[in-house]
Amino acid sequence: DAGITQSPRHKVTETGTPVTLRCHQTENHRYMYWYRQDPGHGLRLIHYSYGVKDTDKGEVSDGYSVSRSKTEDFLLTLESATSSQTSVYFCAIRGVRPTDTQYFGPGTRLTVL
Amino acid sequence: AQSVTQPDIHITVSEGASLELRCNYSYGATPYLFWYVQSPGQGLQLLLKYFSGDTLVQGIKGFEAEFKRSQSSFNLRKPSVHWSDAAEYFCAVGHPPGDSNYQLIWGAGTKLIIKP
Repeated sequence: DAGITQSPRHKVTETGTPVTLRCHQTENHRYMYWYRQDPGHGLRLIHYSYGVKDTDKGEVSDGYSVSRSKTEDFLLTLESATSSQTSVYFCAIRGVRPTDTQYFGPGTRLTVL
Repeated sequence: AQSVTQPDIHITVSEGASLELRCNYSYGATPYLFWYVQSPGQGLQLLLKYFSGDTLVQGIKGFEAEFKRSQSSFNLRKPSVHWSDAAEYFCAVGHPPGDSNYQLIWGAGTKLIIKP
């Protein structure tokens, strides 16, 4: 257990509304990641952070933004949710070297109607 | 571009039978290699990892995996499956090791179905 929580765990929203998902970690890890999981695609990286206020885009960043104002919190925002953003979202932290293993939160299931 | 292929979308195995899940990767150097398991409605749990040394690695729940450089493969095995092993299994490649841009590249997953 890497001390990662995600909130909310489930959310249903309507197209066009903003949505913010929160990832919280308790172990002071520098690197944090947001993924989305869709059937047949495995996990795809949305954004990641390598420190407070330091973030970068992943493979599927369009329509998403992130913020990290504290080490422990990494927020994912859908500025204007679309049905294509219906997915399960996972947050992860990067563990210590040498293997840089990633450890995952429990996920947030988001449905955009 | 780096990629990870899990050729089997679904695999059905009888309880007590042996299991092998395939994973092939495309990468210029020896990457870090991982297997994760995801039970229905759950998050991802690390089964095992390879980053150097002995090419046969042992993981949790009785799983093992063998890194074969010549075949660019990292197949997951278990000698005797249990009904509780029914889940989806993901192979991942980590690159570049130790770099600030370090990312995991994921396979699409293999769903394991256990026949009683």
